[in-house]
Parts: sequence; C-alpha cells; structure tokens
Amino acid sequence: GQQLNQSPQSMFIQEGEDVSMNCTSSSIFNTWLWYKQDPGEGPVLLIALYKAGELTSNGRLTAQFGITRKDSFLNISASIPSDVGIYFCAGQFSGGSNYKLTFGKGTLLTVNP
Amino acid sequence: DAGVTQSPTHLIKTRGQQVTLRCSPKSGHDTVSWYQQALGQGPQFIFQYYEEEERQRGNFPDRFSGHQFPNYSSELNVNALLLGDSALYLCASSLWGLSNQPQHFGDGTRLSIL
Repeated sequence: GQQLNQSPQSMFIQEGEDVSMNCTSSSIFNTWLWYKQDPGEGPVLLIALYKAGELTSNGRLTAQFGITRKDSFLNISASIPSDVGIYFCAGQFSGGSNYKLTFGKGTLLTVNP
Repeated sequence: DAGVTQSPTHLIKTRGQQVTLRCSPKSGHDTVSWYQQALGQGPQFIFQYYEEEERQRGNFPDRFSGHQFPNYSSELNVNALLLGDSALYLCASSLWGLSNQPQHFGDGTRLSIL
C-alpha cells in the first residue's frame, strides 16, 4: 500500500537540541497529522493541520502544512529524554474523520541525556 | 472517559488458523477503522465500519473481514493465516462525518504467526 516519504528514518541527538523531520507525498492531502508511538503502545496524536500553510504549535512541538498540500514538517525544540519514540506523519484526503489515514514509515528519535 | 480498548493484547497462532480481534471505540465515537502495522513500518489501512457496514477498504485480501455491532464495537477476522500476517493490528475510532476530528488509536493487538 501507499506510504508517505518520511525523513530522516532515525535521529540520535543530545538532550536540549532541536529536531526537525518532514514528510512528502506525490498526492495532495487536505489534512496532515503527526503521531508519536512508544514501544508497546498505539500512536498518540500530537498535532493536526487542516489548512495549507497552517503553522500550529503544541508546547515544544511545531508543525506546518505545506502550501503545495504535498508536504508537512514537525519541529521539536529543546528535546528531553521523554521525546524518545517513533514519530509518524499521516495524510488524509478530507478533513472528515471518517477518511482513511495514509502513514509514513516513521522517524525513530533517540535522545541522549 | 475510556479511550479505545483492544483485546487481546497478544496472540500466537499457526499458519492456516483463523483469528478474531476485538475493539471498543472511545466513548461517544461511532466509527471504527482497522490498521495493520508490520515491524518497522507505518500503519496500513485495512477497512472502516460505520452503522454496521464496511464503508472503505484498503488493499487487503478477502481473508480479512470485519463486523461492527450495534454498540459500535468491532471485530477483525483473519482466515487462513499466513506468516506475513504477523503484525500489530491497530483499531482507531472517530465520529462519522465531523470535520477536524482526528482518529484516536488503541494500543493494538500483537499477532504472531508460527
């Protein structure tokens, strides 16, 4: 099945550093979502973006919906050890919650205390 | 306020067997979507149920089937299990037809095929 192009695949950073990851698609999406998944758990929603060009923050996290509707990025500022996990982007063709999500392969983030 | 709950958490089966996984949606939600997450991959959409009917389906064979009950809970059935069916199966719930309402995920069922 289709998966979005998410990069980087993995990152190893020092505590306090900023992190940036992005996601691109060959298709247009009307909604972009960023989830975090910890081992043994399901994905947890971090940020949802519903308009092209939209920039949204959630604490130390900031995400943007690309103008072309084909990309999105997520920034994490001043990383802390609990930021460790796998981050997934997901695109949706409609803002309606009933439409399927198409996911990237994930970015594995490791934070060294 | 209960979130999405799935059972069992882990399951081991052998090739050719059949399996049933269960999901209870978040309180107030009426739509259930199922995803398969292979190791090292992002979740892949299997299908979605609303009003006890399959509304959308991803690229999965007919061996994968589902059901939704009047209380909105759902089951995922997989027949004639293959080694490649080993994965984490995630259930997500939402409220049909509302815009700007993201899907919420359960913690999944880890299925291992021997």
